[in-house]
Amino acid sequence: QGQLVESGGGVVQPGTSLRLSCAASGFRFRTYAMHWVRQPPGKGLEWVGFMWSDGHTVYYADSVKGRFTISRDNSKSTLYLQMNSLRAEDTAVYYCGGDPPSSGYALYIWGQGTTVTVPS
Amino acid sequence: QSVLTQPPSASGTPGQRVTISCSGSSSNIGSETVNWYHQLPGTAPKLLVYGNNQRPSGVPDRFSGSKSATSASLAISGLQSADEADYYCSTWDRSLNAVVFGGGTKLTVL
Repeated sequence: QGQLVESGGGVVQPGTSLRLSCAASGFRFRTYAMHWVRQPPGKGLEWVGFMWSDGHTVYYADSVKGRFTISRDNSKSTLYLQMNSLRAEDTAVYYCGGDPPSSGYALYIWGQGTTVTVPS
Repeated sequence: QSVLTQPPSASGTPGQRVTISCSGSSSNIGSETVNWYHQLPGTAPKLLVYGNNQRPSGVPDRFSGSKSATSASLAISGLQSADEADYYCSTWDRSLNAVVFGGGTKLTVL
């Protein structure tokens, strides 16, 4: 069974930037679509965006479009989330998730999450 | 306001069967497969059902999913205290070009 480990979270001021990383192991990372999902404190899951295995096709939630950028380095089995112009409402636990081929956007593998706090 | 609608809470007693509903529209559940996750307190979500009614290896057959038109359901039979968790449905929305989640259902085992 594969593993995902997120890192890079922290407390940052509004308007600043942060980059999250998600290191994969134990599965064929380069064949998986990879997602970012976040969970604000005490609330439900919110999809942030995902990148196909080809490393080019990417989709974002409207709430982060134009501010967040997903990228991946298949040679390092690592997914990234560059977050710019951070707002208080971006405060959440950020999870990365692995979506194998032909799974219908089902996230089989999840990381443990990394917390991002943007004080209001 | 979530694109997929779930009841905020559900409950049952040990051994009972409970069902959690997920309502969507023709642009999501009506045209795509549905996945279900559960999230135990303080942990990451875990995939329970994919492709409407398929279980990943290791998920007990007490968990079963179904879909009809623009709605989906997750049934849990032989309810156990360990099943107390938040449950989420999810699918792709063709109009939004986005993965969408339900608001989540908190299951309590009485």
